[in-house]
Amino acid sequence: AQSVTQLGSHVSVSEGALVLLRCNYSSSVPPYLFWYVQYPNQGLQLLLKYTTGATLVKGINGFEAEFKKSETSFHLTKPSAHMSDAAEYFCAVSGLADMRFGAGTRLTVKP
Amino acid sequence: KAGVTQTPRYLIKTRGQQVTLSCSPISGHRSVSWYQQTPGQGLQFLFEYFSETQRNKGNFPGRFSGRQFSNSRSEMNVSTLELGDSALYLCASSLGRGTSQHFGDGTRLSIL
Repeated sequence: AQSVTQLGSHVSVSEGALVLLRCNYSSSVPPYLFWYVQYPNQGLQLLLKYTTGATLVKGINGFEAEFKKSETSFHLTKPSAHMSDAAEYFCAVSGLADMRFGAGTRLTVKP
Repeated sequence: KAGVTQTPRYLIKTRGQQVTLSCSPISGHRSVSWYQQTPGQGLQFLFEYFSETQRNKGNFPGRFSGRQFSNSRSEMNVSTLELGDSALYLCASSLGRGTSQHFGDGTRLSIL
């Protein structure tokens, strides 16, 4: 069985500040992990994914995430927030069965 | 390469009616998954089709059904619509399990 927990349904940062969105997963098999972003009235867009290999994964728009097996975490970070980063972010895990999504974290960026 | 296309984008129905939503996956993708997204419940998995076979199903009543055609296009049908079925329905295609899912922009279904 697989599941994802996103800590914090809302995160607010100032423009230029560090973005940190937290994700913890549970999986009975080596997981594939994903981060998606959703803008209003649109579908989800893949930011980055971890399958195997390097544990630090770089994605689009300056985002990156680190797979930490010992902590069962896959937190998403960006060094400097931009106004255009305001959106909802979803962490997801995939293994033997379907892909499971977290509840989402809404990121607000203040000017 | 064309993305995932969902039609229609918006739909308004009344209680008791039925509705069919369509999804055209990315060329070469044989897996199509459907999700329901609501403010209260978030993203909920409906079902997944692979090569015309339903491979996995979420915890939804039998009023929700789907199918996949030989060209990988998929439809989902909801019968006897209820107010609670108002949601954004998202379709995603992929090469298979463990690979990235590519999402369409969804069909926003409103039940009056």
